[in-house]
Amino acid sequence: QKEVEQDPGPLSVPEGAIVSLNCTYSNSAFQYFMWYRQYSRKGPELLMYTYSSGNKEDGRFTAQVDKSSKYISLFIRDSQPSDSATYLCAMSDGTASKLTFGTGTRLQVTL
Amino acid sequence: DSGVTQTPKHLITATGQRVTLRCSPRSGDLSVYWYQQSLDQGLQFLIQYYNGEERAKGNILERFSAQQFPDLHSELNLSSLELGDSALYFCASSVVHGELFFGEGSRLTVL
Repeated sequence: QKEVEQDPGPLSVPEGAIVSLNCTYSNSAFQYFMWYRQYSRKGPELLMYTYSSGNKEDGRFTAQVDKSSKYISLFIRDSQPSDSATYLCAMSDGTASKLTFGTGTRLQVTL
Repeated sequence: DSGVTQTPKHLITATGQRVTLRCSPRSGDLSVYWYQQSLDQGLQFLIQYYNGEERAKGNILERFSAQQFPDLHSELNLSSLELGDSALYFCASSVVHGELFFGEGSRLTVL
């Protein structure tokens, strides 16, 4: 079993929809949680960065962390075609340098 | 543009050969990370250097090696290449833990 599980999709939604992307993890030592967005043929770029449990909002994006359930989510409001990309969750325990990534969910926002 | 530069963008070579991938981090970033991305495994951490010193090692094969030079650029050397080494190789740099800035990757195809 992988340390971080993420549904690969693809997830197809109409423009304007609310998108929910999720990851589950098994390592209770993870304290830092990130979401990266990766467009086709590009490197991942950091979208959201949260520490421990709770919510964080940035424009149309909201990240949620529930450490008791070992579950993190990324919500995208008013989704746009430009949001079409692969979304990767990542996490670490803060002591190690490496991030552990999910395999990514491919999102397609249609007109 | 993340500020991280990787060369070459594409590389096609034969089994048994050796290749070198190069990375220039963002100006001022002392940490360089190497990741391998394949369809079935997602982003896998290979190795991290900090200011010329190896800081952390992940699932890096013995056939692979890396170094970071005094000007902070880094090279990833892949030798005795196998078909399964075909993947995207990303370099990333950072100042803050978890906030990685990725290059656009080097796509390696081993025939």
